[in-house]
Amino acid sequence: EADIYQTPRYLVIGTGKKITLECSQTMGHDKMYWYQQDPGMELHLIHYSYGVNSTEKGDLSSESTVSRIRTEHFPLTLESARPSHTSQYLCATGDWGQNYGYTFGSGTRLTVV
Amino acid sequence: QKEVEQNSGPLSVPEGAIASLNCTYSDRGSQSFFWYRQYSGKSPELIMSIYSNGDKEDGRFTAQLNKASQYVSLLIRDSQPSDSATYLCAVKRSGAGSYQLTFGKGTKLSVIP
Repeated sequence: EADIYQTPRYLVIGTGKKITLECSQTMGHDKMYWYQQDPGMELHLIHYSYGVNSTEKGDLSSESTVSRIRTEHFPLTLESARPSHTSQYLCATGDWGQNYGYTFGSGTRLTVV
Repeated sequence: QKEVEQNSGPLSVPEGAIASLNCTYSDRGSQSFFWYRQYSGKSPELIMSIYSNGDKEDGRFTAQLNKASQYVSLLIRDSQPSDSATYLCAVKRSGAGSYQLTFGKGTKLSVIP
């Protein structure tokens, strides 16, 4: 079944650690997106990709980086985690054309202590 | 003016009533409109999409679109406590802009038993 997967679901990590949040999809979509969302707050686009070797920064400035080496995989990396990075990170996939919205993964709730 | 505006709420309705959620958008080139439901701590889930003026019904949900007034709404009939969530309006432009959705901040709905 076509789907989008995020791991881990929850992560508690110490300040200064390097972390990678995984996002994979089996939907065959070229378009993938990373959003950051604090509890009760709006979605903020932090990165997006329209295909392999294509990545762009979103509307919200973020210290994270992304890569897109394979169509199905779009990991997000924080080189040195800080408490200000504590948030929920949501990955989504989409397709070109009028009829397509986004499909979101389950999210990763990150806590930096 | 924000591109997609929603009343932040919270909107409280009694169980069994009709809940009406509203959204306005600024870009007349917008062609597709989506409603997402997001439970607290969870990721957004697509519940309705609409592309043409008029009404679109799916079970207890009705989406209404008026492109001349740049207005889209979601009606929930026979509201249930399980409908309590934040509802996000999302808009997609035509052409190259169709690669991305623009989200509103969301309206929090509480259905009171």
